[in-house]
Amino acid sequence: DAKTTQPNSMESNEEEPVHLPCNHSTISGTDYIHWYRQLPSQGPEYVIHGLTSNVNNRMASLAIAEDRKSSTLILHRATLRDAAVYYCILRDLISSGSARQLTFGSGTQLTVLP
Amino acid sequence: NAGVMQNPRHLVRRRGQEARLRCSPMKGHSHVYWYRQLPEEGLKFMVYLQKENIIDESGMPKERFSAEFPKEGPSILRIQQVVRGDSAAYFCASSLRTSSGTDTQYFGPGTRLTVL
Repeated sequence: DAKTTQPNSMESNEEEPVHLPCNHSTISGTDYIHWYRQLPSQGPEYVIHGLTSNVNNRMASLAIAEDRKSSTLILHRATLRDAAVYYCILRDLISSGSARQLTFGSGTQLTVLP
Repeated sequence: NAGVMQNPRHLVRRRGQEARLRCSPMKGHSHVYWYRQLPEEGLKFMVYLQKENIIDESGMPKERFSAEFPKEGPSILRIQQVVRGDSAAYFCASSLRTSSGTDTQYFGPGTRLTVL
């Protein structure tokens, strides 16, 4: 999977929007952009994924740059429960069975201030 | 629909003992993955299994570690003759789809192994 770059940490105030950036300049045409998060002492949790168009679900929105070399995960109103490590991961649509695992980088530690 | 179940949640072993970690995937999921998270480190892939088959074990240590996913019952990650360096959180994930691009992995709560 292609490499992603994220800031090590970010802070946000409660009930304000949060924009978490991810750079993936070597993304290929068949790479999907996935976001997972890991709350303290819990397993990772799927957040959202997309290919080219912006995506929305009940948890977040994903804004994908036109050239697909970067993306932004948007939490519209951060709560204290959103404090977690957020991982941006690229996954090839066409990969052999041996390449199905998720490759986690160091992610972005989001701190939400009350 | 229950999520991915892992047990035990916490496991304490003395050096040289065996550790056996269990994972029950979500209903209908036939793909299981094991990941390890060492203290203050990121998640690392260990092994990917489908029913009765190991598909990819490129992340597994060559010795003492084994995994299985039998036709019936949970997936098992077995660590023989544990050492202190095996102390970590072990997470299991399962998935349904066959296309990795759109595949979503659902994680269990993890088993925290402590080796004394």
